[in-house]
Amino acid sequence: DAGITQSPRHKVTETGTPVTLRCHQTENHRYMYWYRQDPGHGLRLIHYSYGVKDTDKGEVSDGYSVSRSKTEDFLLTLESATSSQTSVYFCAISESTLPGELFFGEGSRLTVL
Amino acid sequence: QQPVQSPQAVILREGEDAVINCSSSKALYSVHWYRQKHGEAPVFLMILLKGGEQKGHEKISASFNEKKQQSSLYLTASQLSYSGTYFCGTEIGLTDSWGKLQFGAGTQVVVTP
Repeated sequence: DAGITQSPRHKVTETGTPVTLRCHQTENHRYMYWYRQDPGHGLRLIHYSYGVKDTDKGEVSDGYSVSRSKTEDFLLTLESATSSQTSVYFCAISESTLPGELFFGEGSRLTVL
Repeated sequence: QQPVQSPQAVILREGEDAVINCSSSKALYSVHWYRQKHGEAPVFLMILLKGGEQKGHEKISASFNEKKQQSSLYLTASQLSYSGTYFCGTEIGLTDSWGKLQFGAGTQVVVTP
């Protein structure tokens, strides 16, 4: 196992509430990513980080923000959850940005009612 | 623009072969292949780099046609364990896209006894 823990694994919330998903790694890898997975769309990149306090937007970043104050933790926040953000969220880590293997966490299933 | 995978689904008997294709409208630097079993995280299979060699993993191999920006994944003498959804991830290799994969929608593979 790559030493990635996502929490919570399952969450049900109501429209308009804030939600924070946490990704914790024990590998000391510099690069971390948040993807969402929806039927018919595969995995889409939300935000990524190349190091502490170094984050940037992916292709579907609207409505999401991230923070990385420590190497091991990458937080994804939905400031005001909407039903369109119902999805499975995967965190991934990589040893470097050079073409290399992504290690995925087990996913967090979020349902927004 | 995400890469296009085909077919969307394939059903095989044990021992049969299958090919999954992944094509992009952009010039690619690398193609990654992942397999995801139901309810689990995607797992890395292999990477093909521009100018690199064909890769293999067990009886699963892949090729990368740089001129056509296409990659093919070959499942040879399929086993029950090959069942799952296969995703290709593409990287265009520009400086600001390092490490950011765009994934196809996936190909569901079912191997039956």
